[in-house]
Amino acid sequence: EAQVTQNPRYLITVTGKKLTVTCSQNMNHEYMSWYRQDPGLGLRQIYYSMNVEVTDKGDVPEGYKVSRKEKRNFPLILESPSPNQTSLYFCASSSFTSTGELFFGEGSRLTVL
Amino acid sequence: QQPVQSPQAVILREGEDAVINCSSSKALYSVHWYRQKHGEAPVFLMILLKGGEQKGHEKISASFNEKKQQSSLYLTASQLSYSGTYFCGTESERDDKIIFGKGTRLHILP
Repeated sequence: EAQVTQNPRYLITVTGKKLTVTCSQNMNHEYMSWYRQDPGLGLRQIYYSMNVEVTDKGDVPEGYKVSRKEKRNFPLILESPSPNQTSLYFCASSSFTSTGELFFGEGSRLTVL
Repeated sequence: QQPVQSPQAVILREGEDAVINCSSSKALYSVHWYRQKHGEAPVFLMILLKGGEQKGHEKISASFNEKKQQSSLYLTASQLSYSGTYFCGTESERDDKIIFGKGTRLHILP
């Protein structure tokens, strides 16, 4: 089954404790992206990647890091989480050779105390 | 800059029509439309490309005015299943980012 898988789905952590949210897709998509969703603000792009070893900042990259060492994986790293990073995070992927549809993961709800 | 969606929210009775608008200040290459149900991930509805045709999907269709950098989503004879938050996502001609609007909440009453 074609899917984007995120882990963990739910996480409560404390300020300053490094964490990684993993994202993996099995559709051989070139494009992958991370979004955060906050009430009233919609989906805001954090980082995106056009292919392996190619990443670029979205609109709200501060406090986040990403890497794209393999085509299927695009982890989101919070080196020193702060309470303002409490949010719902979505990973998404798409193919350049198809309709351009973004396939979203189920989301990861992160709470930073 | 995020595209601007209007209205922010709309309540309809089943069978009524709705129009959701999306406007950008940038020259656009494409406009995406997604629907998100509460507690779920956004789901793709359609994409409109510059120079492309108006798209349709069952009773949901959309248009893209390239000169005005605007898109509209049309929901005709709305069904209860249409309830949710609708997002437009825009891709400009200059970069590969897909930027989403703040969403339009649609609630369909029986």
